[in-house]
Amino acid sequence: AQTVTQSQPEMSVQEAETVTLSCTYDTSESDYYLFWYKQPPSRQMILVIRQEAYKQQNATENRFSVNFQKAAKSFSLKISDSQLGDAAMYFCAQPRDDKIIFGKGTRLHILP
Amino acid sequence: DTAVSQTPKYLVTQMGNDKSIKCEQNLGHDTMYWYKQDSKKFLKIMFSYNNKELIINETVPNRFSPKSPDKAHLNLHINSLELGDSAVYFCASSQVVRDGYTFGSGTRLTVV
Repeated sequence: AQTVTQSQPEMSVQEAETVTLSCTYDTSESDYYLFWYKQPPSRQMILVIRQEAYKQQNATENRFSVNFQKAAKSFSLKISDSQLGDAAMYFCAQPRDDKIIFGKGTRLHILP
Repeated sequence: DTAVSQTPKYLVTQMGNDKSIKCEQNLGHDTMYWYKQDSKKFLKIMFSYNNKELIINETVPNRFSPKSPDKAHLNLHINSLELGDSAVYFCASSQVVRDGYTFGSGTRLTVV
């Protein structure tokens, strides 16, 4: 069963604006990890950000930050000051049973 | 030095042929994986090996056979290729799954 859900197959944002990509997940664990991966047209999979559920503070990496709502099992990715190089598929992901489960992805378009 | 390298990057072959994809990592990770990314960009695990031992074998046709000669290498051999095998195949490695994967650049397999 799919445990990571990305409800937005595609999104567009104007360059320099902020965009938020949604993700919900399912788990019965009390401590767990969540990831966002980026796949640009080059198809390389790049780890963007990692969140440990035990930590209260939302993870941040430069222009990328997450809004982690543990009770709601929500893990959204916020991209600030969007740049043309941010155009990519973005995958929310969760380690589960010695492997990582990926959501179906959100394709992000950046409008110049 | 590329951390996880896959060869070839592109592979075009006829139905019924047998082909192999090679993967090597120089990160010293204990676990390696094969994922298949279909035309809709969905990433699904196929196999994982931990220090040469098969750990995960998802529901994959037995035409697909992984081989791990040592913990730095995980190859994928595919017999009797079918049109539906066309996809991008990713190799990845990790030391602990909660740290995320390091991915290879993918192999785009096209069966004609």
